[in-house]
Amino acid sequence: EIVLTQSPATLSLSPGERATLSCRASQSVSSYLAWYQQKPGQAPRLLIYDASNRATGIPARFSGSGSGTDFTLTISSLEPEDFAVYYCQQRSNWPPFFGPGTKVDIK
Amino acid sequence: EVQLVESGGVVVQPGGSLRLSCAASGFTFDDYTMHWVRQAPGKGLEWVSLISWDGGSTYYADSVKGRFTISRDNSKNSLYLQMNSLRTEDTALYYCAKEYCTNGVCHHNWFDPWGQGTLVTVSS
Repeated sequence: EIVLTQSPATLSLSPGERATLSCRASQSVSSYLAWYQQKPGQAPRLLIYDASNRATGIPARFSGSGSGTDFTLTISSLEPEDFAVYYCQQRSNWPPFFGPGTKVDIK
Repeated sequence: EVQLVESGGVVVQPGGSLRLSCAASGFTFDDYTMHWVRQAPGKGLEWVSLISWDGGSTYYADSVKGRFTISRDNSKNSLYLQMNSLRTEDTALYYCAKEYCTNGVCHHNWFDPWGQGTLVTVSS
């Protein structure tokens, strides 16, 4: 089973700042990594798939990069609605597996 | 608009059974693989099960294998999760989710959209 670790656990930033979130896999997942956003009381929403492709309707301020074992989600300039928990997920190896999440909160 | 609405979550005793339902609308249900994903209170996400478009293939997380059964009724645009021998660690919000598709290409193990979830509490 591939294990995903996310860092930091919490990221405290102000609106307008740049957010950089990390996801590391215990073994290579190639580019089979996705990022989800979950706001309090809401279901998760797919942001990025295959490491760097934005899902339909996702704003351009969200970008993903990486391959193999190290991945990054970048939010170029935080909007008030971006404060949420972000999960990475791999589908390279069975079963699909999520990381523990990074909470982005308001500083 | 794609909509997924889960139901059936209740409080149940350990060892009990429950069936969750997910009503789908806004898309051709029988074209797509569907999933159940759960989230324990205050915790992260755990994939539970998937079923192919025709119900011919099903897969389960090891944590639920042999106890949970996923099924679908394409004539009713509905997805189900039969949960038996429930344990306290099955307590969670259960989401149904559709495989993500874009530009005519579907990705079986990316999930979007998701329903709002139904809460299952296993407690004596």
